[in-house]
Amino acid sequence: DIVMTQTPLSSPVTLGQEASISCRSSQSLVHIDGHTYLSWLHQRPGQPPRLLIYKISNRFSGVPDRFSGSGAGTDFTLKISRVEADDVGVYYCMQATQFPRTFGQGTKLEIK
Amino acid sequence: QVQLQQWGAGLLKPSETLSLTCAVYGGPFRGYYWAWIRQPPGKRLEWIAEIHHSGSTTYNPSLKSRVTISMDLSKNQFSLKLNSVTAADTALYYCARGSTAVTTYDYWGQGGLVTVSS
Repeated sequence: DIVMTQTPLSSPVTLGQEASISCRSSQSLVHIDGHTYLSWLHQRPGQPPRLLIYKISNRFSGVPDRFSGSGAGTDFTLKISRVEADDVGVYYCMQATQFPRTFGQGTKLEIK
Repeated sequence: QVQLQQWGAGLLKPSETLSLTCAVYGGPFRGYYWAWIRQPPGKRLEWIAEIHHSGSTTYNPSLKSRVTISMDLSKNQFSLKLNSVTAADTALYYCARGSTAVTTYDYWGQGGLVTVSS
């Protein structure tokens, strides 16, 4: 299985500042079709995860442009600019390049 | 707006069978993958299985011997059965829709806690 490792596990951020979360995979996420199936999810307390970013850098419908994804191969980053109170929760990276799909352990974003 | 509504027994004894169902509203069933994902307390999300509307299935090898995923196209529903549960199967279980357009899971059910305890 592909192991997904996120850092940091906790990220205290000041409102209005930028947050950055890293995700590293134990092997390349480049699929044989040439695409890289790395996505980012956000989970608020008591709610199911919701999709933010797919295929490294594509924002899902309704996701503000404050959220951006980047990376390639085995190293990926989610950046949240101008952090708002509503951004708190846990962020997960997920790979869909190979079965079984696997997730990072989560990064908890909290406001300082 | 696509909505996934899930239900099933929340408290099981060891060796019993977990059974969950997820109904899809507000969007087509055909053309998508339908998955079950769980989150044990304090642990990361774990992908269990998915089924395509064509009937093809894929399972997590770690659970494959105990899991069955199925669907009812006439009701726009899909289900999960997990046999011989133990305390290690205690988790928040989610159903989710997999889309080839985004190649990941774009809509999730509200989640249901399943506790295994004697």
